[in-house]
Amino acid sequence: GAVVSQHPSWVICKSGTSVKIECRSLDFQATTMFWYRQFPKQSLMLMATSNEGSKATYEQGVEKDKFLINHASLTLSTLTVTSAHPEDSSFYICSARALGEQFFGPGTRLTVL
Amino acid sequence: KQEVTQIPAALSVPEGENLVLNCSFTDSAIYNLQWFRQDPGKGLTSLLLIQSSQREQTSGRLNASLDKSSGRSTLYIAASQPGDSATYLCAVRTGGGADGLTFGKGTHLIIQP
Repeated sequence: GAVVSQHPSWVICKSGTSVKIECRSLDFQATTMFWYRQFPKQSLMLMATSNEGSKATYEQGVEKDKFLINHASLTLSTLTVTSAHPEDSSFYICSARALGEQFFGPGTRLTVL
Repeated sequence: KQEVTQIPAALSVPEGENLVLNCSFTDSAIYNLQWFRQDPGKGLTSLLLIQSSQREQTSGRLNASLDKSSGRSTLYIAASQPGDSATYLCAVRTGGGADGLTFGKGTHLIIQP
């Protein structure tokens, strides 16, 4: 299957700092990538759809100014959590679609102190 | 708004048993349905993808069925093994465009050696 990577796999930061997470499709091009968030013992919730060359589409309740998404190329999307706070601590997972199937990255564990 | 429910929430069975995991969704106008496996603290591994026009898909010891009209899918695991222990997630794609997935909360499966 198609491979999606994420970097970093985990990050710990102080409250008020910004954190950037990268999502790459390694062996295919993805015009559309997705960002999900998973809180402990909860399922994945779609945060936003990242579109190459255009603005991201955010789900209701997700602050676009706090979660900045940039889809600079057909293989890279980045999510920047700006001015992170402890309530932003979560597991962030990206996915990319290939031939109608979604392939997920390994996730990034964000802990905000 | 699409909602996905998975039953049971948790399941613990002895090794070798055949088992069935259930998934239901409220909006039957789906594009496809995917079953994933998630190991603790890890990303998602795609197990099976069923298109809306299909009734079932098989991969090794796994078989997934889809009854779109009733809004149900089942994942059948034959001859369970301890390595099958994980959380199994069901997700549906409602739109044919750039739509993300709606996930259930998962079934936490433990296979006892």
